[in-house]
Amino acid sequence: KNEVEQSPQNLTAQEGEFITINCSYSVGISALHWLQQHPGGGIVSLFMLSSGKKKHGRLIATINIQEKHSSLHITASHPRDSAVYICAASNTGKLIFGQGTTLQVKP
Amino acid sequence: DTGVSQDPRHKITKRGQNVTFRCDPISEHNRLYWYRQTLGQGPEFLTYFQNEAQLEKSRLLSDRFSAERPKGSFSTLEIQRTEQGDSAMYLCASSYPARGHETQYFGPGTRLLVL
Repeated sequence: KNEVEQSPQNLTAQEGEFITINCSYSVGISALHWLQQHPGGGIVSLFMLSSGKKKHGRLIATINIQEKHSSLHITASHPRDSAVYICAASNTGKLIFGQGTTLQVKP
Repeated sequence: DTGVSQDPRHKITKRGQNVTFRCDPISEHNRLYWYRQTLGQGPEFLTYFQNEAQLEKSRLLSDRFSAERPKGSFSTLEIQRTEQGDSAMYLCASSYPARGHETQYFGPGTRLLVL
C-alpha cells in the first residue's frame, strides 16, 4: 500500500462542474501539498497545508489531520484546469507523492 | 528569480553509457531535491542536499547513481552504466525552509530515454 493514495486516478468533468480530488496518507507529516502538473512535465505548487483550509481563486484545499485526509476542490471548472493534480506529504523535507489524478474538463 | 533550471531537457543514450544532468536552483535556496518520475506515476524521491551536504538518499538510488552539490549552488546527478529501467523524467526542486515554509519549486525536468 502506498503511503499517499489519491482518488480518483482519472476524472472527466463538464465545464462548470464542481470537482473534488481526495488524498489519504499513512505517514506522519509536517505538511500536505497539492501540486499541478501540465503535459511536458512542469510541476507547480498550489497549496501547502498543515491544518484547516486554504483558498486561492477557484481552488480550495482542506485537510483533516485526525483522519489523515485532504481534499482539493475546484469550483466552476474550466478546460484550462485540465492537468494532473498530485498530493504529496512532506516528511523531513522530502515529498512523498501520490500517483496523481488526471483531470480533463470538457467544454 | 529566474526559477529552477535543468540541463539538458532531453537526453537519449544507449544502454551502458554514463549520463550527467545539471540543476540550477533558485538563488539563495539552500535545499535542493532530486526526484524521478516514470510515465503515469507520481514522482519518487531520490536524494536531497542542504547547502553542500547530502542529507538523505533513497534506497532507489543504486550505486550507479551519484549526486553532488559541491559549492552549495548547482547540483549534478550522474547515472553510470545506464539501464533501460532508468528511462524516466528526472526532476529537480529547490526550497528555502528557513523562511518558515517548505514550498518546493520545480524545474522543467530532464527526460531520459535509454535505448
